[in-house]
Amino acid sequence: EAGVAQSPRYKIIEKRQSVAFWCNPISGHATLYWYQQILGQGPKLLIQFQNNGVVDDSQLPKDRFSAERLKGVDSTLKIQPAKLEDSAVYLCASSSHTGSGNTIYFGEGSWLTVV
Amino acid sequence: GENVEQHPSTLSVQEGDSAVIKCTYSDSASNYFPWYKQELGKGPQLIIDIRSNVGEKKDQRIAVTLNKTAKHFSLHITETQPEDSAVYFCAASKGSNYQLIWGAGTKLIIKP
Repeated sequence: EAGVAQSPRYKIIEKRQSVAFWCNPISGHATLYWYQQILGQGPKLLIQFQNNGVVDDSQLPKDRFSAERLKGVDSTLKIQPAKLEDSAVYLCASSSHTGSGNTIYFGEGSWLTVV
Repeated sequence: GENVEQHPSTLSVQEGDSAVIKCTYSDSASNYFPWYKQELGKGPQLIIDIRSNVGEKKDQRIAVTLNKTAKHFSLHITETQPEDSAVYFCAASKGSNYQLIWGAGTKLIIKP
């Protein structure tokens, strides 16, 4: 079974530029998550989708971050304009459905450096 | 809201010895407690989990214990091996929306 695929793996941009990350979840997984992981910290949930609907985006900085999952499969996370503090690993994850105790599978992450 | 504290932040043990990582949580309604292992350059991977109706769970060299009264849970790794070196995260969750609250992580170093 293929895992969660993410691209690009690494990106370096200047502040105020824009960047987009792509995620392809495990086939058949209805729930998709985007997490931000700053070096030395645990992952922080940015947004959670159930199919193509948003379940939780309370921690997404909506003035600069946006995410979509138009067809309920792939997802894109965009940052515009980027700030220095956005330097982090952006992890996409998926699970078969929403519910406490359901295993979340993570991709390898997209490493963003903002200079 | 829920808060998860994890200790220690770094743990160095001799190969073959045991390692214990501890987490405490604040919300007594939390009912699911997974542990994730994150190797350098990779995403976190679930290694073991426990639910609030169970006090202990084992999987080969890994075990997790839960004390609901004290609101803490621990990861135990026995007979540590070099491949156990990684960052370990605990997490807690409640309710149907499955929002994991993560600890800050423990860097486990296995000394040869």
